[in-house]
Formats: sequence, C-alpha cells, structure tokens
Amino acid sequence: QVQLVQSGAEVKKPGASVKVSCKASGYTFTGYYVHWVRQAPGQGLEWMGRIDPKNGGTVYAQKFRGRVTVTGDTSITTVYMELTNLRSDDTAVYYCARDSRVAADVWGQGTTVTVSS
Amino acid sequence: QSALTQPASVSGSPGQSLTISCTGTSNDVGGYDYVSWYQQHPGKVPKLMIFDVSNRPSGVPDRFSGSKSGNTASLTISGLQAEDEADYYCNSYTNTYGWVFGGGTKLTVL
Repeated sequence: QVQLVQSGAEVKKPGASVKVSCKASGYTFTGYYVHWVRQAPGQGLEWMGRIDPKNGGTVYAQKFRGRVTVTGDTSITTVYMELTNLRSDDTAVYYCARDSRVAADVWGQGTTVTVSS
Repeated sequence: QSALTQPASVSGSPGQSLTISCTGTSNDVGGYDYVSWYQQHPGKVPKLMIFDVSNRPSGVPDRFSGSKSGNTASLTISGLQAEDEADYYCNSYTNTYGWVFGGGTKLTVL
C-alpha cells in the first residue's frame, strides 16, 4: 500500500540542525511532489516547502527560505528535510505528505523535533 | 503568504448541518480551484476530506461537501455525528507555487 515512513524523534540544541527523512513506498516515487508541513504544540498546520522528486525542483515558504532544504534520493525513494539554526519555536511535529491533485492525500506518521538547551 | 482565515471554533448538535469558512485572497483561494480540506483528530495525522474545492476522496462520507465563492471557500458537514468532532484545516495553492493553510477550526459536537 502507499505509505510514507518518517525517521524517529529528535532532540536538538538551539543553533543546531536537524534532518528528517521520509521513505516512500507503494507508488511511483517520481510521479508525485512531496511536501513538508509542521505543527507546533497546540497550533495549526504550517506549510514549509515541497520537492518534485523527478528533477529535484523545490519551492519553499518565504518564512523558511535560507533555513530549510528539501532533497530527494530516487535510488532509495526517500525525501529529506533539513532545517538549520534551530530555535525553541521550531519545536513541532514535522510531516511529509504526498501531493495528488494539489492536495496531501497520504501523510507520514510525523516526526517530533524538540529544540531545547 | 499569510494564513487563510478560518473561525477558531464552531459547534453543532448531532444531525445538524454546519459550515466552516476559509477566506483568502485572489492570490490563493480566489485565484485557483485548488482548495483542500483536512480533518485532524487529537494526536492523529491529518486526513484529506476534500480536494479541488468540492471533490471527495474515496471513503469520505458524502455528508462532507465543499464549495467556493470568490476568495472564500467553505466546508459543509451535514447530518453531524459525534465522530466529526475534530480540527479542520483548509489549504490552497498560491501564486508563488506553494501552499498555504488556514489557522484551523475546532468543531465541537454538542
């Protein structure tokens, strides 16, 4: 079945970087964009960016430009999201999601990133 | 890109109908027929309920419907059930080739 499986929880110190992976299976990896969305504790969903795995093309939310990088490895059908210069307000659950018909039809299970000194 | 505007909360009794609004601009909701809606129960992963303004994915009850007029999209839930109690988020494609979410609406079934 179609699924996205993300890497495990991370605890980082302020100023550090985090890289979260998202392993896709059950569909043609290069046929769908993959988006990254985060949700801070008790808050709403926030779109961060997306990648076209076919050519590596990316689009980022203005808020995260310069701090976020989304990459993909077609050989292992995996997408990565790296966020640098972490702050306490980056503490959130980070989701990857497949884009079908400009909507997120399949979501990863989420990865909790905690930023604390 | 500013978040789309949703009411913070709505409530209704079982069997009733209610509508959640989602207001954007001509750069997002008003400019494209790419509005989607997501349901999220506490501690769970969001679930796609509506795509392309008014289309339901397979398995979503037809009690859920979507529409759009100008810069405002709407999600209507008819025949409200206890299991519909959740947070709902709208989402739109934007003129900068990205997405933007609404702030979310907490639906309470009385």
